[in-house]
Amino acid sequence: KQEVTQIPAALSVPEGENLVLNCSFTDSAIYNLQWFRQDPGKGLTSLLLIQSSQREQTSGRLNASLDKSSGRSTLYIAASQPGDSATYLCAALGGTYKYIFGTGTRLKVLA
Amino acid sequence: DGGITQSPKYLFRKEGQNVTLSCEQNLNHDAMYWYRQDPGQGLRLIYYSQIVNDFQKGDIAEGYSVSREKKESFPLTVTSAQKNPTAFYLCASRETGYGEQYFGPGTRLTVT
Repeated sequence: KQEVTQIPAALSVPEGENLVLNCSFTDSAIYNLQWFRQDPGKGLTSLLLIQSSQREQTSGRLNASLDKSSGRSTLYIAASQPGDSATYLCAALGGTYKYIFGTGTRLKVLA
Repeated sequence: DGGITQSPKYLFRKEGQNVTLSCEQNLNHDAMYWYRQDPGQGLRLIYYSQIVNDFQKGDIAEGYSVSREKKESFPLTVTSAQKNPTAFYLCASRETGYGEQYFGPGTRLTVT
């Protein structure tokens, strides 16, 4: 059974820092891995989608990588800003077209 | 604008009552999903549908029911059999194939 873990559970950094969020999954047979952002009381906003055949995707200050063999994905945020404060979730799409979500990393960027 | 709408944003019910949460999408996506989120926890899958008139149970389907009569609509009914229904409910749809998943704004259900 697929399990997705995100470390750390919470992170507090000063503005301007580059940071890395981690996502681990136990079953490498995934179709894709998607990173989301969730603000308090809101739905999820898609940030980046990496297909299983890809190694990384970039959007602005965000870069996500995928290493299926080691069961890991990382989300890199460059030059963090207070507006980046949110919970970041990763989700892996498996063979039954079900997504398995991690429990998220709660990020706070201090001005 | 294309997207997913969920209504209402907040819903209050008395214990023992069934309640139906609405989810509508105009993205022309075949696949739709219902998740439940509890404070401090990740998302758990309730039901999902790959195509009209077909749906599958997720990990926590007990006490819930769904229908998929139209491509655009995937309503979720929380029945009185659901032991702890108070939660934040999120609806999503997925692009064809292994595409991106998009979420609605969510419905916060409180049962007292």
